Amino acid sequence: EAQVTQNPRYLITVTGKKLTVTCSQNMNHEYMSWYRQDPGLGLRQIYYSMNVEVTDKGDVPEGYKVSRKEKRNFPLILESPSPNQTSLYFCASRSSGRGDTQYFGPGTRLTVL
Amino acid sequence: QKEVEQDPGPLSVPEGAIVSLNCTYSNSAFQYFMWYRQYSRKGPELLMYTYSSGNKEDGRFTAQVDKSSKYISLFIRDSQPSDSATYLCAIGSSNTGKLIFGQGTTLQVKP
Repeated sequence: EAQVTQNPRYLITVTGKKLTVTCSQNMNHEYMSWYRQDPGLGLRQIYYSMNVEVTDKGDVPEGYKVSRKEKRNFPLILESPSPNQTSLYFCASRSSGRGDTQYFGPGTRLTVL
Repeated sequence: QKEVEQDPGPLSVPEGAIVSLNCTYSNSAFQYFMWYRQYSRKGPELLMYTYSSGNKEDGRFTAQVDKSSKYISLFIRDSQPSDSATYLCAIGSSNTGKLIFGQGTTLQVKP
């Protein structure tokens, strides 16, 4: 089954404690992205990657890091989380083909106290 | 100005109504246009995409793009309670992975 998986699905942490949210896709997609979704603001792109070792900033990259060492994985790293990073996070992937469907993961709800 | 503006709603309609959802965008560099549907506690799923101005139909759904006015719309005919969800428009670049979403419109279709 084609899917994007994220872990953990729910996380409560404290300010300053480094965390990583993993994302993996089994469709051999080139493009992967991370989004955060906040009430009234919609989905905002944090980082995206066009292929292994190729990443670029989206609209809200501050406070986040990513890496793309393997095609299937695209972890999101919060080195020093702060309460304003409390949000619902989605990972997504698609192929580089024109108009190809972007598949979203199930989401990770993060709370930073 | 946000790159994509979408009426946030919420929108409540009776079953069977025609629903019109709208977005405007400001950056003509983006080449393709999408509509996503998101049910509560789920990730967005792609409903429709198009690259060109004009209409694209898929069952009860019609996506409309007017590049000259930078306006995109989604029409839902014969709306059903199962259409109750948040609808997000998005514009994207086929050369990069960049994708910009509207704020989303929450739709409720009452039986």
